[in-house]
Amino acid sequence: DTEVTQTPKHLVMGMTNKKSLKCEQHMGHRAMYWYKQKAKKPPELMFVYSYEKLSINESVPSRFSPECPNSSLLNLHLHALQPEDSALYLCASSQAGVYEQYFGPGTRLTVT
Amino acid sequence: GQQLNQSPQSMFIQEGEDVSMNCTSSSIFNTWLWYKQDPGEGPVLLIALYKAGELTSNGRLTAQFGITRKDSFLNISASIPSDVGIYFCAGPRSARQLTFGSGTQLTVLP
Repeated sequence: DTEVTQTPKHLVMGMTNKKSLKCEQHMGHRAMYWYKQKAKKPPELMFVYSYEKLSINESVPSRFSPECPNSSLLNLHLHALQPEDSALYLCASSQAGVYEQYFGPGTRLTVT
Repeated sequence: GQQLNQSPQSMFIQEGEDVSMNCTSSSIFNTWLWYKQDPGEGPVLLIALYKAGELTSNGRLTAQFGITRKDSFLNISASIPSDVGIYFCAGPRSARQLTFGSGTQLTVLP
């Protein structure tokens, strides 16, 4: 199994809503990542988890809250988002000590 | 910080033509990665390069790790419609962080 899966595929939420994005991988990778991507731009790193511990937070606003329940799962909890947070949210994973990251299909988020 | 300059920004080519794109860095990299992203999907890793001068192929794709370690090239031979998408180069900024190029948008005309 060489796949990273993400749910939901699409999400529309109001600025007062609370929602969560989910990511799962079964490749035995011990590093997992959240990225935000705007149209026609490269992915921007948000968070990195290494061995289920948060190792990098790229100064992301607190309305985004990551969680890594176990080595296969990664969540991104969303609360009180702004319209400018609308984007494609990508999850990725990699083996320990290896640079290659494998991306999921993404969640297209629209904040109204 | 490290920056990656990727060119060209966009390309329009006829089906069957060969394609070349490149990435240059302001600093030395020890790994180069090339990804392709289809509309509405996540980036897919095409090729990984680990050694200066290395030339690696994946089907019709060939990528090279520049001798100076500050550049990399991706070539696509005999383009087909499914080659359409955005191609990103990437290099490690740290153990867990990648720097991405700005992307090359490829359009293949029938």
